[in-house]
Amino acid sequence: DTEVTQTPKHLVMGMTNKKSLKCEQHMGHRAMYWYKQKAKKPPELMFVYSYEKLSINESVPSRFSPECPNSSLLNLHLHALQPEDSALYLCASSPRQGARELFFGEGSRLTVL
Amino acid sequence: GQQLNQSPQSMFIQEGEDVSMNCTSSSIFNTWLWYKQDPGEGPVLLIALYKAGELTSNGRLTAQFGITRKDSFLNISASIPSDVGIYFCAGPELMKTSYDKVIFGPGTSLSVIP
Repeated sequence: DTEVTQTPKHLVMGMTNKKSLKCEQHMGHRAMYWYKQKAKKPPELMFVYSYEKLSINESVPSRFSPECPNSSLLNLHLHALQPEDSALYLCASSPRQGARELFFGEGSRLTVL
Repeated sequence: GQQLNQSPQSMFIQEGEDVSMNCTSSSIFNTWLWYKQDPGEGPVLLIALYKAGELTSNGRLTAQFGITRKDSFLNISASIPSDVGIYFCAGPELMKTSYDKVIFGPGTSLSVIP
């Protein structure tokens, strides 16, 4: 069983909706990540939080807004998404940024209509 | 930026056969990671390699960090149906800042025929 928990597992939203993806880990890890994965493609990095501060934003459109309320939680707020944003969104954590071993959650499957 | 390539892109093998796949980079990596992803799941870390020439096993899986530091290999012995999935190699892309990010290869899709 993964120790990184993501909710919801599936989300369907319209282009005018506002929704959020949530991620939680209790391994004491200090770095947390959002990756986006399209079908039959590898995960692509979106954001990195290190010690609850945003350290990497891979030029992600502003319709995706990350938030790290504390060291165990990571949110991804979604607003005015496009159908091409439909993908599997993966959360991961590592003991610290720069530690290469990432531990992934099961992902949230997002469909934008 | 740095890129990773994996071969083969896909494999269809008989149950019980051994499997070999590899990952190459256009530049030197100082860490190699191998992940497996089942359909609808997140990637799971199988093996991490930290030194050139290092050979590490995890059950029926064995991975090696290439001497040139530009490649890595993953072998699976005596394959079973639950080995089905996509295998990704990954490594840290060195960035100009002190931070680095983990990038993934395109993956090798493994199918096992019972």
